Amino acid sequence: ELKVEQNPLFLSMQEGKNYTIYCNYSTTSDRLYWYRQDPGKSLESLFVLLSNGAVKQEGRLMASLDTKARLSTLHITAAVHDLSATYFCAVVAGGTSYGKLTFGQGTILTVHP
Amino acid sequence: DTEVTQTPKHLVMGMTNKKSLKCEQHMGHRAMYWYKQKAKKPPELMFVYSYEKLSINESVPSRFSPECPNSSLLNLHLHALQPEDSALYLCASSQDAPQTGATTGANVLTFGAGSRLTVL
Repeated sequence: ELKVEQNPLFLSMQEGKNYTIYCNYSTTSDRLYWYRQDPGKSLESLFVLLSNGAVKQEGRLMASLDTKARLSTLHITAAVHDLSATYFCAVVAGGTSYGKLTFGQGTILTVHP
Repeated sequence: DTEVTQTPKHLVMGMTNKKSLKCEQHMGHRAMYWYKQKAKKPPELMFVYSYEKLSINESVPSRFSPECPNSSLLNLHLHALQPEDSALYLCASSQDAPQTGATTGANVLTFGAGSRLTVL
């Protein structure tokens, strides 16, 4: 069974600081997604990483994928309050024609002055 | 149109009621999904429809009954629910059902705003 683990689960950051969220998964997959969710809202797609060594950047967020280590990172640079949200990574389980997307537990990020 | 539209946004129902959640997309996506999300938890997959056929049922109790009338619509029929079924129900769609090794692109799931269900 595919397991997806994120850490930390709670992250309290000061504005202007940098930090990294980690996402580990237990079985082979070459497709990893990062989503953002604001309280009471739906999920917004941030990045999709399709191959080993893939790196994507958007604004203050940068995501990378190491399929050999089964690890993805979401790096936050110079955090601002607007980045406060819950961040989920999600991985496709392989081996079937219609793989399911399995989410990590989520990292609740709070950015304060 | 790049949206997934869900109705109703909020639903309160008793344990003996029958109600339905509706989901619509006009992006030409061929796969549609129902996820359930409890507070402060990640979404959990319930059902996947691909090309209007049910392809994944994650051992969901029969009191939840999905229906895909056409490629743009997805319903979730609710009957005899329990209070523990109270949650945010998210609909999503994608170009195709995500799979490893595919070369058809990113196949990102687009989520609707959700229907918040309370069972009394």
